[in-house]
Amino acid sequence: EVQLVESGGGLIQPGGSLRLSCAASGFTVSSNYMSWVRQAPGKGLEWVSVIYSGGSTYYADSVKGRFTISRDNSKNTLYLQMNSLRAEDTAVYYCARGKYDILTGYYTHTFDYWGQGTLVTVSS
Amino acid sequence: EIVLTQSPGTLSLSPGERATLSCRASQSVSSSYLAWYQQKPGQAPRLLIYGASSRATGIPDRFSGSGSGTDFTLTISRLEPEDFAVYYCQQYGSSPPRFTFGPGTKVDIK
Repeated sequence: EVQLVESGGGLIQPGGSLRLSCAASGFTVSSNYMSWVRQAPGKGLEWVSVIYSGGSTYYADSVKGRFTISRDNSKNTLYLQMNSLRAEDTAVYYCARGKYDILTGYYTHTFDYWGQGTLVTVSS
Repeated sequence: EIVLTQSPGTLSLSPGERATLSCRASQSVSSSYLAWYQQKPGQAPRLLIYGASSRATGIPDRFSGSGSGTDFTLTISRLEPEDFAVYYCQQYGSSPPRFTFGPGTKVDIK
């Protein structure tokens, strides 16, 4: 069974740093593309970052230069290192797995499994 | 940068009624990369439709997706009590890779 479990959220002061983790089971993180998606309180979904199986990483403009996505293949875990945090980074952060379409053999660039989310609150 | 607009913002319907949700893109989007998600309060999003019209695993056939170019539609043929939720469309664009979500449509009980 595919499972994603996030951890590492909490209350942090503006300018601080936090590292989120997403422990995966039931599949291999390094063989898939994985993303972080966030949701500010009462707001919609915002894509944050993606890491592809080959290791390429991409970021939303709102976090570029401040956030770093990575993975530990030995732990089958995805990470999001967040630096220079701002109040507007306050959100529930979800990790999500990219969907691979077995019938076509292509990645669909959508997300088929999501974690339960971890809340990051940036406030003094 | 492609912007997704969803309408209406809120749809008030009764169980058993048909729901039609719209997602419009600011420029043409590949149908292969258009998806719909359902999110209930306190829960993570759930993938419903990918490739504009393919149902994800375990999704009931009362959910269907259609559209191409800049206009896409999610239809729920007969609303069940568990279908009252917020629905998001999402598209993917390359060069550089970007995933964009629409603002969502809330389907609530009339």
